[in-house]
Amino acid sequence: DAGVIQSPRHEVTEMGQEVTLRCKPISGHNSLFWYRQTMMRGLELLIYFNNNVPIDDSGMPEDRFSAKMPNASFSTLKIQPSEPRDSAVYFCASSQGLAGVWWETQYFGPGTRLLVL
Amino acid sequence: DQQVKQNSPSLSVQEGRISILNCDYTNSMFDYFLWYKKYPAEGPTFLISISSIKDKNEDGRFTVFLNKSAKHLSLHIVPSQPGDSAVYFCAASGEAGNNRKLIWGLGTSLAVNP
Repeated sequence: DAGVIQSPRHEVTEMGQEVTLRCKPISGHNSLFWYRQTMMRGLELLIYFNNNVPIDDSGMPEDRFSAKMPNASFSTLKIQPSEPRDSAVYFCASSQGLAGVWWETQYFGPGTRLLVL
Repeated sequence: DQQVKQNSPSLSVQEGRISILNCDYTNSMFDYFLWYKKYPAEGPTFLISISSIKDKNEDGRFTVFLNKSAKHLSLHIVPSQPGDSAVYFCAASGEAGNNRKLIWGLGTSLAVNP
């Protein structure tokens, strides 16, 4: 079985440009998570979805960040306009999202390394 | 403010010896704790977990100990192998009923020397 798939693996862009990160969760998983990893702050949860509905977006740093999950097999994280301080590794993770189960193993993708110049 | 703290950024041990990675937390509402392992250029992978109703959980060479009164947990790897060299993250959950949010430490980089 394929794991969580993220694209692109690396992205270099200039300040002010729009960046779109993509994620395909594991088939059958109903919960999807977007994380950002930096040296200073470690792994931070940006947003998570359950059954394609955003449940907690309190980690989204500001209005420049937006995330969508139009269907169970695809999600995007968009940064517009991008800034140098957005440079980080962005991970997508998925879990089964079983009803009534509040914690499950999260399976991570390989991440997208973003550099904003 | 970090609710989950891994105070040692790095640790180096000899192959065959014990590796002990430590994690402290501040939120008494946390009731589930996990360790993830991360290799370079890969995402974190789940390693072992423990519920607050237990004080020890063992899986092969990996054992996690939980001391609730001290708000401290540790991961023991015995014996350590070179393939265990990775970054280890401690994470905690349980802030709210159905919230699947995990709070993560900054990680400890373990180097196991042959």
